[in-house]
Amino acid sequence: SQKIEQNSEALNIQEGKTATLTCNYTNYSPAYLQWYRQDPGRGPVFLLLIRENEKEKRKERLKVTFDTTLKQSLFHITASQPADSATYLCALLDNAGNMLTFGGGTRLMVKP
Amino acid sequence: SQTIHQWPATLVQPVGSPLSLECTVEGTSNPNLYWYRQAAGRGLQLLFYSVGIGQISSEVPQNLSASRPQDRQFILSSKKLLLSDSGFYLCAWITPRWAGTEAFFGQGTRLTVV
Repeated sequence: SQKIEQNSEALNIQEGKTATLTCNYTNYSPAYLQWYRQDPGRGPVFLLLIRENEKEKRKERLKVTFDTTLKQSLFHITASQPADSATYLCALLDNAGNMLTFGGGTRLMVKP
Repeated sequence: SQTIHQWPATLVQPVGSPLSLECTVEGTSNPNLYWYRQAAGRGLQLLFYSVGIGQISSEVPQNLSASRPQDRQFILSSKKLLLSDSGFYLCAWITPRWAGTEAFFGQGTRLTVV
């Protein structure tokens, strides 16, 4: 069956450090992978999309890598700030391009 | 502009009562529509998705149902709520398929079954 796995344990880091979150998947051949941010009591908000032919994508302090051989994406936040504290989710469409499934999310806590 | 409306924001319902949550999308046509449920501190569980009017795919067996009577309207229903139906319900859409565009979410409905 198709699975998307993220580290369920919260990630605690110090302000200014780089946060790295992992997304692993099985039984997908995704054309692209997405990352979202979710704050408590709110719906997820789209951050970045990376396509299968892209190794790396950057947006301001965010960087995403995509390794289709390892079936893994890494999400980095450089120079992290307390305002970056949230839950981050990765998401994939199924091979038919219809079913959008999310990983369980990783909670990031940035301490001042 | 493209927007998504989901209501109500909060709902407290007794066990055994019916449920109807509505989601409408503006500014796009023929979107894929999705219903998710999120338990406290957990990830998004996909409940239903629809790729067109009257087309509903169910991912989790349960006492919930979904309908898409119009292109931009998605409804989540139950005839009799269970305590386990409590959670945070989110509606989302993407369009067009395979274009790589992001999903847009409604504000969510916090449902408490008592």
